[in-house]
Amino acid sequence: KQEVTQIPAALSVPEGENLVLNCSFTDSAIYNLQWFRQDPGKGLTSLLLIQSSQREQTSGRLNASLDKSSGRSTLYIAASQPGDSATYLCAANRGSTLGRLYFGRGTQLTVWP
Amino acid sequence: NAGVTQTPKFQVLKTGQSMTLQCAQDMNHEYMSWYRQDPGMGLRLIHYSVGAGITDQGEVPNGYNVSRSTTEDFPLRLLSAAPSQTSVYFCASSSPSQTNTEAFFGQGTRLTVV
Repeated sequence: KQEVTQIPAALSVPEGENLVLNCSFTDSAIYNLQWFRQDPGKGLTSLLLIQSSQREQTSGRLNASLDKSSGRSTLYIAASQPGDSATYLCAANRGSTLGRLYFGRGTQLTVWP
Repeated sequence: NAGVTQTPKFQVLKTGQSMTLQCAQDMNHEYMSWYRQDPGMGLRLIHYSVGAGITDQGEVPNGYNVSRSTTEDFPLRLLSAAPSQTSVYFCASSSPSQTNTEAFFGQGTRLTVV
């Protein structure tokens, strides 16, 4: 079974800071790792998908890295804004069961002006 | 392109009632799955399907049934609702592509069982 852990559980920062959210997983035989954003009362929005053969992916101010050997992924948010306030979830799957995602419990981010 | 559509968005049930949560996707994805999200527990897999006619259990399948008669639809049935099934339910779909297995989620169904 894949266990996914996210640290920290909550983070509160002033606007403009560069942030690092951490995700660790126990089974290195992952197929890919996906980062999501969830706003209160809303669904999950996909931010970045990293295939197991890749080391990182970038989208705008977001950069996600993947290190399978150490069982870790990080989401880097540059120049944070109040609109970035949300819960960030990471999820991993395994090659043998691609349709299943194993989720961490998320990092609740608050960016204040 | 609607993506993943869930209905209803909100539902209140009495204990013992049954109902079906609907999920439809228009991306021709083979994989579909149902999760529940509870405070402090994260998202947990209920059931999933790797194609029409094929389903399997996830972490928390008790009290729920699924079937997959078409690629597009994956309904979740609550057989006899219990207060412990009060939760937010999410449906997801993805493709078993070698190059892109990105999962897409619906907006959720918020269920309260009284």
